[in-house]
Amino acid sequence: DAGITQSPRHKVTETGTPVTLRCHQTENHRYMYWYRQDPGHGLRLIHYSYGVKDTDKGEVSDGYSVSRSKTEDFLLTLESATSSQTSVYFCAISPTRGQGSTEAFFGQGTRLTVV
Amino acid sequence: GENVEQHPSTLSVQEGDSAVIKCTYSDSASNYFPWYKQELGKGPQLIIDIRSNVGEKKDQRIAVTLNKTAKHFSLHITETQPEDSAVYFCAASLLRNKLVFGAGTILRVKS
Repeated sequence: DAGITQSPRHKVTETGTPVTLRCHQTENHRYMYWYRQDPGHGLRLIHYSYGVKDTDKGEVSDGYSVSRSKTEDFLLTLESATSSQTSVYFCAISPTRGQGSTEAFFGQGTRLTVV
Repeated sequence: GENVEQHPSTLSVQEGDSAVIKCTYSDSASNYFPWYKQELGKGPQLIIDIRSNVGEKKDQRIAVTLNKTAKHFSLHITETQPEDSAVYFCAASLLRNKLVFGAGTILRVKS
């Protein structure tokens, strides 16, 4: 398995509270991503990072923010959790290999329930 | 933006038979097409991928084909085994390795 650790693995939180999920990699890959997985939707990109302090939005970024202060860590914050953010969250990493896209490796996921 | 459609949503096959999952994409700029297998409670695992300059790639019992003109690609699994039962996702890559996923196919291999 690629060296990716997500924490926590499970979390239950109340509506309106802030939540931070952490992704830690040991591969020194440049790109890091946060996806959410919901039934019938596959995986959808929330935010991604293409370097330290360089981040950008994905297709479902509303209500989420991210930070990357070190190559190895990528944090996803739900500013004020809502029930619609109940989901399984996956972190992924991807190396840079010259021109063209390359493979992405996924962590084990964080199951978040907002009650 | 890119849109990836995947069919079928569920697929049941008898052990030893072949399974085929098909995907179409919309953005002609996509140049990388991976396939992932996801088992219950785990993260997606890359099983095979293909780049836009290749028409077919094979790895033991699995193969992927790509038709750039028609913008579709397919996963072929031969001699299916019970351990092939899982959810399979296709994806198409955009700039900076961002992936757009299909909705997934639940494959059941009956023994």
